[in-house]
Amino acid sequence: SQQGEEDPQALSIQEGENATMNCSYKTSINNLQWYRQNSGRGLVHLILIRSNEREKHSGRLRVTLDTSKKSSSLLITASRAADTASYFCAINRDDKIIFGKGTRLHILP
Amino acid sequence: GAGVSQTPSNKVTEKGKYVELRCDPISGHTALYWYRQSLGQGPEFLIYFQGTGAADDSGLPNDRFFAVRPEGSVSTLKIQRTERGDSAVYLCASSPQDRGTQYFGPGTRLTVL
Repeated sequence: SQQGEEDPQALSIQEGENATMNCSYKTSINNLQWYRQNSGRGLVHLILIRSNEREKHSGRLRVTLDTSKKSSSLLITASRAADTASYFCAINRDDKIIFGKGTRLHILP
Repeated sequence: GAGVSQTPSNKVTEKGKYVELRCDPISGHTALYWYRQSLGQGPEFLIYFQGTGAADDSGLPNDRFFAVRPEGSVSTLKIQRTERGDSAVYLCASSPQDRGTQYFGPGTRLTVL
């Protein structure tokens, strides 16, 4: 399968803690993207990291990419209740974007 | 500005019926994607348009599924002889160029009874 696979499948942490989600894939990629999906709603793009980049930041988000290990991680610092959602990595190869099954993140008050 | 819109938001149909799902992309976006998402799963790629042509339709599960984008803007996903297994949320996304950030619509929830 070409799809990215997120790990863990589910994660519960206390508000204020950092959350780390991982994504592994099997093929070469053009770029890798992370998306968030709140229950019952559309996906929201968070960040795109190109295959020649190793790390990107956006606000409280930090994404790393290790093409040698075919893996990426998404770090959310100082988590908030509003961060409760499902997070998906999506690998972009040729003209196709393939999503993983996602990590369901729950921020506890 | 206006985002990607999809209509209807919900569609309930009976097994064997024909349905059409519509996607209005962000104006000027040349790339348009259709996905299907089942409960607890990530979006599953169906088809990708660049302009009016289907650049990649390898994700369409069988010949009951067909999509068009005749003028390079609005797209319609058509499902013939619907089956209960077709029940899912159908998502549309557009992008200003291929391989870039995708902007998703809210989806159409299809229920086949």
